[in-house]
Amino acid sequence: NAGVTQTPKFQVLKTGQSMTLQCAQDMNHEYMSWYRQDPGMGLRLIHYSVGAGITDQGEVPNGYNVSRSTTEDFPLRLLSAAPSQTSVYFCASSVGLTNTGELFFGEGSRLTVL
Amino acid sequence: RKEVEQDPGPFNVPEGATVAFNCTYSNSASQSFFWYRQDCRKEPKLLMSVYSSGNEDGRFTAQLNRASQYISLLIRDSKLSDSATYLCVVNRDYKLSFGAGTTVTVRA
Repeated sequence: NAGVTQTPKFQVLKTGQSMTLQCAQDMNHEYMSWYRQDPGMGLRLIHYSVGAGITDQGEVPNGYNVSRSTTEDFPLRLLSAAPSQTSVYFCASSVGLTNTGELFFGEGSRLTVL
Repeated sequence: RKEVEQDPGPFNVPEGATVAFNCTYSNSASQSFFWYRQDCRKEPKLLMSVYSSGNEDGRFTAQLNRASQYISLLIRDSKLSDSATYLCVVNRDYKLSFGAGTTVTVRA
């Protein structure tokens, strides 16, 4: 009963390095999304997808890329990491497009950029 | 202006007490509304959806006031296990906006 799986759980990068945060769900959910959470702030939407092959930008997309080649996977790529991208990242999915607010979250990925 | 604003608290209440708090949202075109619960350093989990007519789920009651653009959550008969941060969430066109959260601590 995996639900939403994020890897890695912890990562330390140097400025300028690239990396991919992986997200997979086994619930056949159409909607998937990525958020970052910083101290004192709410979760902020980075990118989202309403189905395979479809992605769109959220509130804070700069510095991040996504793709959705399958229903199950929604990786988040940091192209050139910056200290401002130090954060906790959450991937989430929901079963349908009419109830995209009813999200299932992964356990989070804690990223530090030095 | 933030799209969703919440009183950060903390609300420190004894077991058995009732605690209530609100959040306000700025976009009148918002379509659906939710309360999530987040424990320290954990992922958020859906507590309940919020409907226009108001709704209850056990000890939790949520209300929506579209005219004034606020959402409320009331917790009756508080338990120690209710200690958490409660996130107000607003959905518009597949984009969810989260408040920064209201921290509730229930003491024995």
